Amino acid sequence: DAGVTQSPTHLIKTRGQQVTLRCSPKSGHDTVSWYQQALGQGPQFIFQYYEEEERQRGNFPDRFSGHQFPNYSSELNVNALLLGDSALYLCASSLGWGPSGGYTFGSGTRLTVV
Amino acid sequence: QKEVEQDPGPLSVPEGAIVSLNCTYSNSAFQYFMWYRQYSRKGPELLMYTYSSGNKEDGRFTAQVDKSSKYISLFIRDSQPSDSATYLCAGSFNNAGNMLTFGGGTRLMVKP
Repeated sequence: DAGVTQSPTHLIKTRGQQVTLRCSPKSGHDTVSWYQQALGQGPQFIFQYYEEEERQRGNFPDRFSGHQFPNYSSELNVNALLLGDSALYLCASSLGWGPSGGYTFGSGTRLTVV
Repeated sequence: QKEVEQDPGPLSVPEGAIVSLNCTYSNSAFQYFMWYRQYSRKGPELLMYTYSSGNKEDGRFTAQVDKSSKYISLFIRDSQPSDSATYLCAGSFNNAGNMLTFGGGTRLMVKP
């Protein structure tokens, strides 16, 4: 049973560019959340998708946007990249829309902005 | 002030020791509390999940939540070198959705 799959694992982008990160949730999960983890810090919530809609959003600018597809997979898009966007981007999936700690995290995409 | 605070460590202990990891939080609306373990270059892995105050035990791990003092603890008995990782505590609200607010993590090293 595959867990959460993220692609790519690493990428390097230049300031001002745009990037798209992808996530396939664990089989049976229908809710996808995205987190940003800076080096030496805990993950910070970006947003959460359920039934193809953004349901919750953390304190991130509009440069960060996302999408969820009918098969529950998700994309995170970041426009006008800044050096400060360099981080590990984690996708987490869960089942249903309700309070739960039952996230399954992927191994993340490490984004470096130069 | 961050909503969830952890001592970043590193915390170094000998194999077999009892480890105590702690968090404090400021948001009294948190109802659910979790501990995650994160190995280097990996995503966080859920260890313990508790609702409101009380204790929960799972094998060598015990989680404690004291809502009156806004204090969360994780105890690891008979620690092993394989427990060497970063431990993240998190809280979430009792409402629809499950946004987690994480602490900064405590790095634990268990020496053989």
